[in-house]
Amino acid sequence: EVVLTQSPGTLSLSPGERATLSCRASQSVSSSYLAWYQQKPGQAPRLLIYGASSRATGIPDRFSGSGSGTDFTLTISRLEPEDFAVYFCQQYGSSPRTFGQGTKVEIK
Amino acid sequence: EVQLVESGGGLVKPGGSLRLSCAASGFTFSSYSMNWVRQAPGKGLEWVSSISSSSSYIYYADSVKGRFTISRDNAKNSLYLQMNSLRAEDTAVYYCAKACSGPTCYLLGWFDPWGQGTLVTVSS
Repeated sequence: EVVLTQSPGTLSLSPGERATLSCRASQSVSSSYLAWYQQKPGQAPRLLIYGASSRATGIPDRFSGSGSGTDFTLTISRLEPEDFAVYFCQQYGSSPRTFGQGTKVEIK
Repeated sequence: EVQLVESGGGLVKPGGSLRLSCAASGFTFSSYSMNWVRQAPGKGLEWVSSISSSSSYIYYADSVKGRFTISRDNAKNSLYLQMNSLRAEDTAVYYCAKACSGPTCYLLGWFDPWGQGTLVTVSS
């Protein structure tokens, strides 16, 4: 199965700053079949990005995804207070679908 | 608005059984594959099982194969997960999640949206 490794484990930033989250796959992810989710405490994950770079419905354009092959990035251009959360990547190019362990974006 | 509401979680002893349900609304349930995804306390996410729209295709993670059974009732807009021979490591919040639309979404694809989850605790 494809193992996804996210880095850093925790990102400490201030509102207004830029966040760059990394997701690295143990093997190439077919057709950039990679998604990103946001999860806040006590809530279910919410889809942000699919197809490595396509924003899901209703997701603000400060969220962007990029990458291909084994290296993918989620960028939040300017952090808003509601963006402090845990972010997971997920590959769906091969079965079983797998998730990264998550990156926590916390207020500095 | 798409809504997914899970129920049926609780405390069960090792070796016991539990049946989870997910009530769906706001979309044509019978047209979409559905999934169960779980999250152990303070941990990451793990896909558990998927079922295609007509129940023709069913898949399980190796960790639950032979113990869990996914099913659906399209007339009732409901998804189920029968969990038998439960172990401590099955302790998690179980989420019901709608699959993407497309010919391979019963096996591949992203999850959107997710229900609020139901907690299953396996402990003596």
